[in-house]
Amino acid sequence: EAGVVQSPRYKIIEKKQPVAFWCNPISGHNTLYWYLQNLGQGPELLIRYENEEAVDDSQLPKDRFSAERLKGVDSTLKIQPAELGDSAVYLCASSFNPNTEAFFGQGTRLTVV
Amino acid sequence: EDQVTQSPEALRLQEGESSSLNCSYTVSGLRGLFWYRQDPGKGPEFLFTLYSAGEEKEKERLKATLTKKESFLHITAPKPEDSATYLCAVRGGANNLFFGTGTRLTVIP
Repeated sequence: EAGVVQSPRYKIIEKKQPVAFWCNPISGHNTLYWYLQNLGQGPELLIRYENEEAVDDSQLPKDRFSAERLKGVDSTLKIQPAELGDSAVYLCASSFNPNTEAFFGQGTRLTVV
Repeated sequence: EDQVTQSPEALRLQEGESSSLNCSYTVSGLRGLFWYRQDPGKGPEFLFTLYSAGEEKEKERLKATLTKKESFLHITAPKPEDSATYLCAVRGGANNLFFGTGTRLTVIP
């Protein structure tokens, strides 16, 4: 069974440019998470979806970050415009429901120069 | 506010030298404590879920235990391939996973 798939794996962009990340969760998983991980730190939640509904986006910097999960399957996370401080690994995870374990993708390493 | 503290930050062990990693937590209404393993450049890999105090889970050389305030990940006779960062996370009433900063384990042959 395929795991959580993220793309791209790496992205280098100049500051003020837009960037988008894509996530395909495990089939049948209704809960989807986007996390941000800085070097040497644990993942920090950005947004959680239950099907197509964003049920917790309190940590998402809404002035520049946006996310969507159309049809309750794939999800995209966008940053516009990117800032130097956005350089980090962006992780997507999914779980069958909010009470079960989450499985992570490989992440997208973003470098803003 | 949910809080997870992991210790030590880093641990170096000789191959075969058993030890334990600690995860202390504060959460409103624990709905699960999770252990993950993360290798460099990869996403966290799920290891265990514990739901109630007294519960234990085992997998190969790893054993996770849970009390009302903390969890331990015991590593018995570790091998170099066990080298990784081990992350602890809790799920509270808000249903979100809240992570600690991890313990970086190095096992020396």
